[in-house]
This record gives sequence, C-alpha cells and structure tokens, in this order.
Amino acid sequence: DQQVKQNSPSLSVQEGRISILNCDYTNSMFDYFLWYKKYPAEGPTFLISISSIKDKNEDGRFTVFLNKSAKHLSLHIVPSQPGDSAVYFCAAVAGGTSYGKLTFGQGTILTVHP
Amino acid sequence: DGGITQSPKYLFRKEGQNVTLSCEQNLNHDAMYWYRQDPGQGLRLIYYSQIVNDFQKGDIAEGYSVSREKKESFPLTVTSAQKNPTAFYLCASSFSGQAMGYGYTFGSGTRLTVV
Repeated sequence: DQQVKQNSPSLSVQEGRISILNCDYTNSMFDYFLWYKKYPAEGPTFLISISSIKDKNEDGRFTVFLNKSAKHLSLHIVPSQPGDSAVYFCAAVAGGTSYGKLTFGQGTILTVHP
Repeated sequence: DGGITQSPKYLFRKEGQNVTLSCEQNLNHDAMYWYRQDPGQGLRLIYYSQIVNDFQKGDIAEGYSVSREKKESFPLTVTSAQKNPTAFYLCASSFSGQAMGYGYTFGSGTRLTVV
C-alpha cells in the first residue's frame, strides 16, 4: 500500500525553465510534508517542507504547494539549473508532534539540460 | 563537525553470509532509522529506534536485525534469511518528535551487493 506516490519516474527540463514535481498521498492523517534531494551514491538532503496548516512555502528558487482537499503537493523550481539534476523524494509524516516516522514516495529523477 | 557516518561505502557478501552495516551519529539525536533504496521503489523503512535499547520493525524488517546499545550507534545486520539483499542502504537520525523542520539527517549510504 503506497501511501505516498510520485507518479512521474522522470522529468526533463531546459535550464532556466520551471520544473514541477508532483506528489500524491492517501493517508489523511499526514500533516507535515517534506522534499528531499538525492544525488547518486549519496544520502538524501532536506530541501523544503510544509505544514498542513499552510498551502504554500517558499525558499529561494524552491516553492512547495499543498492542496489538502486533493491530497496533492508539488515542488516548483524556478529557474531550473543543471545542478538541480538529482532524484527528488516527497515524504510525509502523521501525528503533529508525535514521533516522526517519515513515509517516502518512489522518487522522481529530474534532469536539467543546459 | 556533527554528522552521521555509514561504513563501509561498498560491501560485497556471499550468499548465505550475514553482514553488518555500521551507522554512527554525533548529533545527539534520539531516533535512528534504516532505509533501503531499490530502483523505482523509493525509500522503504526497515527498522527504527526512538531510544537506547528499544527498536521497532518497519515495513520490510524480514531478514534484518538491529541493536541500539548506545545512543550514537545503530548497526544493521543483513542475515542470510533476507531473500534479495542487494540494495543501497541508508541510515538516518533525528530528534524524537522532530520530523518537522528538516526531518532526518541521512548518512551517505552503503551499497551492498550479493555475489
């Protein structure tokens, strides 16, 4: 039972354009969402997060949007740069201040072409 | 510098052997986790531990064992009972109850190959 889904295995964009990575979830108890970036043979690194009480969070070139009614979130990268090429994982956690066991999606491989 | 260290980076195992993957952190984190990454399947939770001398099974614990004798250390043993052990293994840590903010800190991973 995949509670967090990233339905696009890969995405290819041109440098300078917008990259949009999507994530859907099924567990209505999830109330905090995170995006991680991962390079080959390395551990994931935290990128940006959003609480369910918000619908948008911005950090530089990265913006995460949350649509709770649709159980959908997206990560926008503007403008995209070749160094953004990596695997992006969406993750979710339930329970607010309870112990934080993250559930991850399958990941989306982003390739940004110069 | 604080961080989380996994060793070795690459590990080869013969079929039928047990192997132990090391994970050490000096971040004073309470909770530690082991994940497995396979192509197209994302990160799947194997085991996790909130405090010393306590741990719980994750979604795919069969064929694995862990111990948490020290706060800093959470080694993972891949036993011969694990049917398909070839994968990339990731260790992570966090303060208990702090999935918010940056979530976990991950190690750089161990690539295990069964030969």
